[in-house]
Amino acid sequence: DTEVTQTPKHLVMGMTNKKSLKCEQHMGHRAMYWYKQKAKKPPELMFVYSYEKLSINESVPSRFSPECPNSSLLNLHLHALQPEDSALYLCASSQGTGLTEAFFGQGTRLTVV
Amino acid sequence: DQQVKQNSPSLSVQEGRISILNCDYTNSMFDYFLWYKKYPAEGPTFLISISSIKDKNEDGRFTVFLNKSAKHLSLHIVPSQPGDSAVYFCAASAGAGSYQLTFGKGTKLSVIP
Repeated sequence: DTEVTQTPKHLVMGMTNKKSLKCEQHMGHRAMYWYKQKAKKPPELMFVYSYEKLSINESVPSRFSPECPNSSLLNLHLHALQPEDSALYLCASSQGTGLTEAFFGQGTRLTVV
Repeated sequence: DQQVKQNSPSLSVQEGRISILNCDYTNSMFDYFLWYKKYPAEGPTFLISISSIKDKNEDGRFTVFLNKSAKHLSLHIVPSQPGDSAVYFCAASAGAGSYQLTFGKGTKLSVIP
């Protein structure tokens, strides 16, 4: 299994809603990431979890709240988002140590209305 | 300041010919480089990588060349196929244990049948 699975694939939410994005991998990877990608732009790193601990937070607003319940799961909790937060949210995972390629999920297309 | 640059936003190539996608970087700390392929509405798919201790890495139709002195790498696809039409992102990482991937803006490759 070399997949990173993200759910849902599409999400439309209002600015007062609370929703969560989910990511799952069963490759034994110990690093998991959230990226945000706007149209015609490269992915931008948001958070990195290493061995289930938050190791990097790229100054992301607190309306985005990551959670890593276990080594296979990564969530992104969303609350009080703004329309400019509409984007493709990508989850990725990689081996825990050293430099190896990151595998990406298919993303969640988020629209904030 | 863009540390990874893909100066060609788009490239068109005839089927069967060679596609050459270029990437330049400015951060001399980068020592691991990756190419990702991305279809619309999907997450990036890892293609091929190269460590700075090498100057070439080959995988089937894909070859990546690294010129450290010029801080330049290129991805060659031979022969190009219509299914190769996608956006290609160059990414770079610095240092063992680094989880940061810095992406270029991407090059849209169109392979014409």
